[in-house]
Amino acid sequence: DQQVKQNSPSLSVQEGRISILNCDYTNSMFDYFLWYKKYPAEGPTFLISISSIKDKNEDGRFTVFLNKSAKHLSLHIVPSQPGDSAVYFCAASAPGGSEKLVFGKGTKLTVNP
Amino acid sequence: EAGVAQSPRYKIIEKRQSVAFWCNPISGHATLYWYQQILGQGPKLLIQFQNNGVVDDSQLPKDRFSAERLKGVDSTLKIQPAKLEDSAVYLCASSPDSNYGYTFGSGTRLTVV
Repeated sequence: DQQVKQNSPSLSVQEGRISILNCDYTNSMFDYFLWYKKYPAEGPTFLISISSIKDKNEDGRFTVFLNKSAKHLSLHIVPSQPGDSAVYFCAASAPGGSEKLVFGKGTKLTVNP
Repeated sequence: EAGVAQSPRYKIIEKRQSVAFWCNPISGHATLYWYQQILGQGPKLLIQFQNNGVVDDSQLPKDRFSAERLKGVDSTLKIQPAKLEDSAVYLCASSPDSNYGYTFGSGTRLTVV
């Protein structure tokens, strides 16, 4: 039972355009969501997060939107740069104090020059 | 600050052999996690330590996997005996108390043949 779903295995965009990565979840207890970026042969690195009490969080070129009623979140990257090419994982956590993260399968983003 | 150190980077073993992985978290980080990432999947939590106590090991296959974190610092994860389906990247992560923004190590890629 996959609680965090990233239905697009890959996404290709042109440099300078917007990249939109999507994530859906099924567990209504999730209250904290994160995006991680992963380059080959490296561990995932934290990118941006959002609490369920918000619907938007912005950090430079990266914005995460949360739609709780639809159990959907998205990561927007504007403008996209070739260095953004990586696998992006959506992750979620439920309250309980353990900070355990449930990850999606990831979306491979390719930004073409 | 120094990152999360893991060794070895790569390991190839035959099925039914045993293997051990080592992780040294960021200094002062109380919480340590071991995740398993199978190719094409997102990371899955195997075990979480708070200092040297286990917080969550519900997804650890305890008939073959074991982990310890002596003295609340570095940790080892062992598989004995290994199966073909254990082929994966094993990621260690650490975080300060109550902080979702973990720092991951580069991982150990295990191939079981």
